[in-house]
Amino acid sequence: NAGVMQNPRHLVRRRGQEARLRCSPMKGHSHVYWYRQLPEEGLKFMVYLQKENIIDESGMPKERFSAEFPKEGPSILRIQQVVRGDSAAYFCASSPAGYYNEQFFGPGTRLTVL
Amino acid sequence: SQQGEEDPQALSIQEGENATMNCSYKTSINNLQWYRQNSGRGLVHLILIRSNEREKHSGRLRVTLDTSKKSSSLLITASRAADTASYFCATDPDSGGGADGLTFGKGTHLIIQP
Repeated sequence: NAGVMQNPRHLVRRRGQEARLRCSPMKGHSHVYWYRQLPEEGLKFMVYLQKENIIDESGMPKERFSAEFPKEGPSILRIQQVVRGDSAAYFCASSPAGYYNEQFFGPGTRLTVL
Repeated sequence: SQQGEEDPQALSIQEGENATMNCSYKTSINNLQWYRQNSGRGLVHLILIRSNEREKHSGRLRVTLDTSKKSSSLLITASRAADTASYFCATDPDSGGGADGLTFGKGTHLIIQP
C-alpha cells in the first residue's frame, strides 16, 4: 500500500512564476490536508479538502494561493507569482475520514524561489 | 512503524487544573512537535523541541523531551475551557537530511470541564 505521494520533491522557481505542487493520497483516503513548513519552524496548516470540496482554508494566504482536489487525479496546491517568502517545504497529508483520524504525511515538496 | 504515540487517549479534568500528555516514539528524531486540533479545524502548531533540547516553554505550555527514553510530555498549566481539543505529537525523523515528512499519532483528546 503506497503512502502519500507528492511531486515534485524539489521545485525551483523564479520570482513571478507559478508553482504547482501535487499530492496523491493513500489509497482509500478521501481527505487531504496541506501544510507549510518554513525553515526552522513547525508545520502550519493551510487547507483541508475532500473530493471536489474545500472544507477548511483558514490557513491559506488570501492571495496567490489556491488548492483543489478534483474527482479524478491528485490534489493540487497552486502558488501564483511566487515570491522569495514562499520558499518552504509543503507537506500533504491524507486520512480515510475527517479530522479525528490519523493523518499520514507525504515526503513534502521543497520549493525554492530564486 | 508508527511514531508519535500519545498517552492517554482521552483526558478529562476540571478548569484550572494542569493537564499532562505523553508521547513515545521509536526512531531517532531531529525534532518533536506538538499540535492542537480544535473540533472541525486543522492542526495548529504549538511548540517544537529539538533533539538536543530537554525542556521548552511557551506561555502555559511546557514540553520535555527525553531522547534516551524516546518520550516527550506536554504540560498545560491552569487549564481553560478553550484548551478543549485534541493534542498530537509529531516526529521529524533523523533520516540523513531527506524530506521524509512527519508522522502524527492518534492524539490525546482533552476535555476541560468548567
